[in-house]
Amino acid sequence: AQKITQTQPGMFVQEKEAVTLDCTYDTSDQSYGLFWYKQPSSGEMIFLIYQGSYDEQNATEGRYSLNFQKARKSANLVISASQLGDSAMYFCAMRELHLAGGTSYGKLTFGQGTILTVHP
Amino acid sequence: GAVVSQHPSRVICKSGTSVKIECRSLDFQATTMFWYRQFPKKSLMLMATSNEGSKATYEQGVEKDKFLINHASLTLSTLTVTSAHPEDSSFYICSALGENTEAFFGQGTRLTVV
Repeated sequence: AQKITQTQPGMFVQEKEAVTLDCTYDTSDQSYGLFWYKQPSSGEMIFLIYQGSYDEQNATEGRYSLNFQKARKSANLVISASQLGDSAMYFCAMRELHLAGGTSYGKLTFGQGTILTVHP
Repeated sequence: GAVVSQHPSRVICKSGTSVKIECRSLDFQATTMFWYRQFPKKSLMLMATSNEGSKATYEQGVEKDKFLINHASLTLSTLTVTSAHPEDSSFYICSALGENTEAFFGQGTRLTVV
């Protein structure tokens, strides 16, 4: 079974500084995908960044980068130059990439989430 | 990216009534849709997986008769909360998966049962 752990219930960062949100995972699968989502108070889930288990380079998307350490089974999200609008809840998620009965593909398992607050 | 529309965004209903939530994929055919439930400041919990034209697969502990899921077409899945009670109050969110797409999320529905 898959498991995703986010050990930081809340994080605070000063505007314009960088912040790292931790995520560790546990899976016996060789093929998997790791995602980070942002959920503002409105509730929508905003996709931020994706890392495939076979990707050798760390994923980057603008101010977001994923520090993927496969041997440690960690996939931390780094947000550079924090902005006030970054204040939200952040979820790490993992997706199985193999088909098992046709329904596991796309199924996401989420971590507990981290509430990020950016101070001016 | 692809658009998934979820409706309504907010609903308040009386205890004992049923509420239907719709999840539509607007620009792709969703072969699979997932329904999640989320309590305040908590993680998303998968309730069920639905494939077009077949019965939904429910996660352990989720009552099938309580949360009816219908995936009648490749662009629409519905979740009906039957005989709703205050403990069913929660945030419900769907995600849709196409043939060769990522899973995209709807905007979510905040259900309040009074």
